[in-house]
Amino acid sequence: SQQGEEDPQALSIQEGENATMNCSYKTSINNLQWYRQNSGRGLVHLILIRSNEREKHSGRLRVTLDTSKKSSSLLITASRAADTASYFCATDKKAAGNKLTFGGGTRVLVKP
Amino acid sequence: DTGVSQNPRHKITKRGQNVTFRCDPISEHNRLYWYRQTLGQGPEFLTYFQNEAQLEKSRLLSDRFSAERPKGSFSTLEIQRTEQGDSAMYLCASSSDRADTEAFFGQGTRLTVV
Repeated sequence: SQQGEEDPQALSIQEGENATMNCSYKTSINNLQWYRQNSGRGLVHLILIRSNEREKHSGRLRVTLDTSKKSSSLLITASRAADTASYFCATDKKAAGNKLTFGGGTRVLVKP
Repeated sequence: DTGVSQNPRHKITKRGQNVTFRCDPISEHNRLYWYRQTLGQGPEFLTYFQNEAQLEKSRLLSDRFSAERPKGSFSTLEIQRTEQGDSAMYLCASSSDRADTEAFFGQGTRLTVV
């Protein structure tokens, strides 16, 4: 079963704009990870944020984590057409072998 | 070793046939995971291995599915008597067993059962 929801399900923006997507989850976690998936391809790891961290940056990506609200957000700044993809959050639990539980994803379209 | 490798990339099979997929993880990773993804959905966990031991299997993994990792390196996922509902992308991932570690995914095997 899916761990939680991603919001919005789909997002269409112009190149250069920022894209923000949110992820909610249901149970306590060890880490939260964000992945990108281009159509028909595998998942590319973007960023991992630990449960005791609140914010993390990697290049044009900014991830926040609020464990009290069981939610995370991914911000992509200055978007490019190549950022067009589906974005998934996934949570893991140490006791469960770090297996990942994914949300349903946000499909992002960046128009040139 | 540039990443997780899955073969084949695509498989079309007739209903009732058996299929087998292979995953070669990143060499120093002792954990290997299988996931299934249907169109428009996030991946769903199927099973995982710590070295050669299969430590957890999802309820999604019916008795027609079997996975092995005989020497703790590559893994195979076999589906017997395929059904149309088995059509999906099958994804393999590997990681180390450190607490705060990323999982790296292969390109997946797209199965179509006709």
